[in-house]
Amino acid sequence: DGGITQSPKYLFRKEGQNVTLSCEQNLNHDAMYWYRQDPGQGLRLIYYSQIVNDFQKGDIAEGYSVSREKKESFPLTVTSAQKNPTAFYLCASRPRGAGVYEQYFGPGTRLTVT
Amino acid sequence: KNEVEQSPQNLTAQEGEFITINCSYSVGISALHWLQQHPGGGIVSLFMLSSGKKKHGRLIATINIQEKHSSLHITASHPRDSAVYICAVLLNTGNQFYFGTGTSLTVIP
Repeated sequence: DGGITQSPKYLFRKEGQNVTLSCEQNLNHDAMYWYRQDPGQGLRLIYYSQIVNDFQKGDIAEGYSVSREKKESFPLTVTSAQKNPTAFYLCASRPRGAGVYEQYFGPGTRLTVT
Repeated sequence: KNEVEQSPQNLTAQEGEFITINCSYSVGISALHWLQQHPGGGIVSLFMLSSGKKKHGRLIATINIQEKHSSLHITASHPRDSAVYICAVLLNTGNQFYFGTGTSLTVIP
């Protein structure tokens, strides 16, 4: 089945540790996105990538890093520099091109940092 | 200031009622995306539209580009429709979405 997988579903870390969230898709989509969701707020864009080996900062990139070495994979690292890392993280993908294409979302990873 | 505003924030309805959720935006867009988020957090796509109206089952979405406004309607609501409904706009650049804060819908049997 085609889709987007994120692992793990729940992640617990101690403050000061870096943590990497996984996002894999087999939809053959060029574009991939990382969002953060906090209670009472809309999804906010952390990073996005339109093609392999290229990515752009979103509105809240500080304290995060990404890589896009393969089309299928777009891991997100939450570094110790991120002041409030506890949140629900969602990965999405969509085709790239002139058309208007919808996003497909993964199931999300809930990160708790104490 | 939010580029995308949704109303109402919370909505409780009796089963069978007709429901309307509104979305207004202030930026230039290519299209608007309606999404549904269930309590577990998973998000599914309902509609993506850039003009007019789309219908799928009991759900109808409309958009007025001139007025920068979209509505999502649910006819004959059912408890399984209980979820958070999110409006997102695709910017004119075609690369980035802005999201509303969502409307939490509860349908009571």
